[in-house]
Amino acid sequence: ETVMTQSPATLSVSPGERATLSCRASQSISRNLAWYQQRPGQAPRLLIYGASTRAAGISDNFSGSGSGTQFTLTISSLQPEDFAVYYCKQYNRWPWTFGQGTRMEIE
Amino acid sequence: EVQLVESGGGLIQPGGSLRLSCAVSGFTVSSYYMSWVRQTPGKGPEWVSVFYTDDYTHFADSVKGRFTVSRDNSKNTLYLQMNSLRVEDTAVYYCARDAFNSNYGWDVWGKGTTVTVSS
Repeated sequence: ETVMTQSPATLSVSPGERATLSCRASQSISRNLAWYQQRPGQAPRLLIYGASTRAAGISDNFSGSGSGTQFTLTISSLQPEDFAVYYCKQYNRWPWTFGQGTRMEIE
Repeated sequence: EVQLVESGGGLIQPGGSLRLSCAVSGFTVSSYYMSWVRQTPGKGPEWVSVFYTDDYTHFADSVKGRFTVSRDNSKNTLYLQMNSLRVEDTAVYYCARDAFNSNYGWDVWGKGTTVTVSS
């Protein structure tokens, strides 16, 4: 199983600031990585797939990068609605696995 | 409107069975790869199963041999049959649609149904 490790577990950022979230895979997953946002009480929402392609309707405030084992999600200017939990997920091989999440908090 | 609505969750004793339903509206369930994903409060999601358009299915090791998936095209509904339930199967279960029929990611999710396995 491919283990996904996200860091940090919690990130405290002020609105308007930039945030960088990291995700590391225990083995190479090429660019077969997606990022999801989950707000309290809601299902996850697809943000990024293919490591860097934004899903339909996703603001260009979100960008993804990386390949192999190291990936990054960048939120260029945090909006109030961006304070949520973010998960990376690999779909390179079964079982598809998620990281444990990074919680974005308002500083 | 594109929508997924899960139902069938509840409280069940260990060893019991439940069948979850995912009613689809706004698109044809047989035309998309569909997955079940579960999540325990405070934890990351866990992929459970995928049902491909050619009827091929794949399951996480944690549920293989205990869970099955099926589809009723006439009702436009996806099902998850869960047998030999364990305490560790307790979670919110979501069904989700593959955005591109490519395994890249799920663009439509239901609100989830809660399964609690406890004696």
